[in-house]
Amino acid sequence: GEDVEQSLFLSVREGDSSVINCTYTDSSSTYLYWYKQEPGAGLQLLTYIFSNMDMKQDQRLTVLLNKKDKHLSLRIADTQTGDSAIYFCAESRNQGGKLIFGQGTELSVKP
Amino acid sequence: GAVVSQHPSWVICKSGTSVKIECRSLDFQATTMFWYRQFPKQSLMLMATSNEGSKATYEQGVEKDKFLINHASLTLSTLTVTSAHPEDSSFYICSAGTKHSYEQYFGPGTRLTVT
Repeated sequence: GEDVEQSLFLSVREGDSSVINCTYTDSSSTYLYWYKQEPGAGLQLLTYIFSNMDMKQDQRLTVLLNKKDKHLSLRIADTQTGDSAIYFCAESRNQGGKLIFGQGTELSVKP
Repeated sequence: GAVVSQHPSWVICKSGTSVKIECRSLDFQATTMFWYRQFPKQSLMLMATSNEGSKATYEQGVEKDKFLINHASLTLSTLTVTSAHPEDSSFYICSAGTKHSYEQYFGPGTRLTVT
């Protein structure tokens, strides 16, 4: 079946890099996403990667995909206190299809 | 980016009453809308997928007679929680997308509290 797993907590100091990891089981996953959720709010799409890519960089964000190990990571460079939030990885098999979410990683950034 | 709104943003109702939550895509036509439920400190659980003009597809374990979904137009889907009970208290989030896009756009969520 489809399953997405993440570690629950990560704490870093301001200015450090944060790396949030995610594993998934569905080998048919085509699209992989990272979403950010601030308290009491909806989800904001941060970035995404297609399954035929290994890496994607977007300003402070770097996504790495190891398709063989079904492992996805999100690196946030120069982490700021405003980055404190819950980060969800999600996967989808097709365009317009349903998303399967991980449990979310709560990132705490200490000054 | 595309904007999705939800109304109301929070609602408190008495046990046994029904509550309707609206999800609107403001600047695009959404062929598909998704309804999720999120408990505190937990992930989003997909409840149902709704396609414009057709019946919603419910996930296993979700009672379709309790959570009524209507997707009457390309910009509006509604979720009605019928005969609400305290265990229905949760954060309900919708998202909207199209068949031709890999992106889903999320609404800000509706906090439902049943007393």
